[in-house]
Amino acid sequence: EAGVTQSPTHLIKTRGQQATLRCSPISGHTSVYWYQQALGLGLQFLLWYDEGEERNRGNFPPRFSGRQFPNYSSELNVNALELEDSALYLCASSLEVRDTQYFGPGTRLTVL
Amino acid sequence: GIQVEQSPPDLILQEGANSTLRCNFSDSVNNLQWFHQNPWGQLINLFYIPSGTKQNGRLSATTVATERYSLLYISSSQTTDSGVYFCAVLGRGFKTIFGAGTRLFVKA
Repeated sequence: EAGVTQSPTHLIKTRGQQATLRCSPISGHTSVYWYQQALGLGLQFLLWYDEGEERNRGNFPPRFSGRQFPNYSSELNVNALELEDSALYLCASSLEVRDTQYFGPGTRLTVL
Repeated sequence: GIQVEQSPPDLILQEGANSTLRCNFSDSVNNLQWFHQNPWGQLINLFYIPSGTKQNGRLSATTVATERYSLLYISSSQTTDSGVYFCAVLGRGFKTIFGAGTRLFVKA
């Protein structure tokens, strides 16, 4: 069974640009989560999607947004990129919200 | 919101030694997981353990939900155990909160 996949592996953008990160959950999982791991700041909860709806978000500005598609894959969009957005972005999925979360390999975003 | 504290922050072991990592949380939780993050950033599931005790090879974990803590035991450590160990809890509103992690280095 395939695990959680993320693309791209690496992404380099300049300040002010937009970034789009993609995530495909494990087959059958309907909940998708996004996390940011910036250097020195640990893992921060960004967004939770379930059944196509945004269910909760962490303490991030509105320029962090996303969506979940009918096949449960998800996109994270970061607008007006700032230098401090440079981080590893991790996606996870679970069968339902209380279940085990399984993580993808991450997308490393660098903002120059 | 829930506070999650992990200790110790850093740990250096000689290969073959045993260790205990601790995770304290400030409120009741819906679930608790332990992860190992390898040097490439991949988070690997170790345990899903909202309560009770589980064992998987050289690793075991215990969560005492009523006292709001969880312990991860590593026995006969190996160099491949090196990395960062995180506990994560699912709190109110179903937000997942991670601890700051314990950075483990196992010397050969």
